[in-house]
Amino acid sequence: DIQMTQSPSSLSASVGDRVTITCRASQYIRRYLNWYQQKPGKAPNLLISGVSSLQSGVPSRFSGSGSGTDFTLTITSLQPEDFATYYCQQSYSTPPFTFGGGTKVEIK
Amino acid sequence: QVDLVESGGGVVQPGRSLRLSCAAAGFTFTDYALHWVRQAPGKGLQWVALISYDGSVQYYADSVKGRFTISRDNSRNTVDLQMSSLRGEDTAVYYCARDTLTGSYSAVFDHWGQGTLVTVSS
Repeated sequence: DIQMTQSPSSLSASVGDRVTITCRASQYIRRYLNWYQQKPGKAPNLLISGVSSLQSGVPSRFSGSGSGTDFTLTITSLQPEDFATYYCQQSYSTPPFTFGGGTKVEIK
Repeated sequence: QVDLVESGGGVVQPGRSLRLSCAAAGFTFTDYALHWVRQAPGKGLQWVALISYDGSVQYYADSVKGRFTISRDNSRNTVDLQMSSLRGEDTAVYYCARDTLTGSYSAVFDHWGQGTLVTVSS
């Protein structure tokens, strides 16, 4: 199975900060990498698919990059509504479709 | 709008069975694969199972293979997860999620239900 490793597992940041979350796959997954945001008590929400394709309605301060095994989610100018947990997920080839362990973004 | 509503969760003893259901609305149900994804309390997300748009293909996580069965009723717009031989480690919120791709699957989940909590405890 493909293992997905996110770092950091948590971070503290202030409104207006630039935040970067990394995700590493245990093997090559081309560009089959997706990012989800989850707020407490709510279902996850798809932010980005295929490394960098922003879903409709997602603010442009979110962006994704990378390929192969190393990927990044960047939030420029963090907003109050961005405090949440973020998960990467690989959708390469056959199941299982694994998630990273999550990165909790907290208010400093 | 797309709507997925899970039901059937509850408290169940180890070794017993439980059936979850997900009712879908707001899209052409027969065009999309559907998935179950779970989240243990305070933990991350784990993909559980996939069923293709026509029900002909099912995949499972190793941790549930042989114990869980995913099925769909395209006449009622529902997808079920039959869970048997339940264990404590199956305790989680179970989400139904729609695949983004029509006619096949991409394993990208663009719509999610609100989840239903399953607690396995004696």
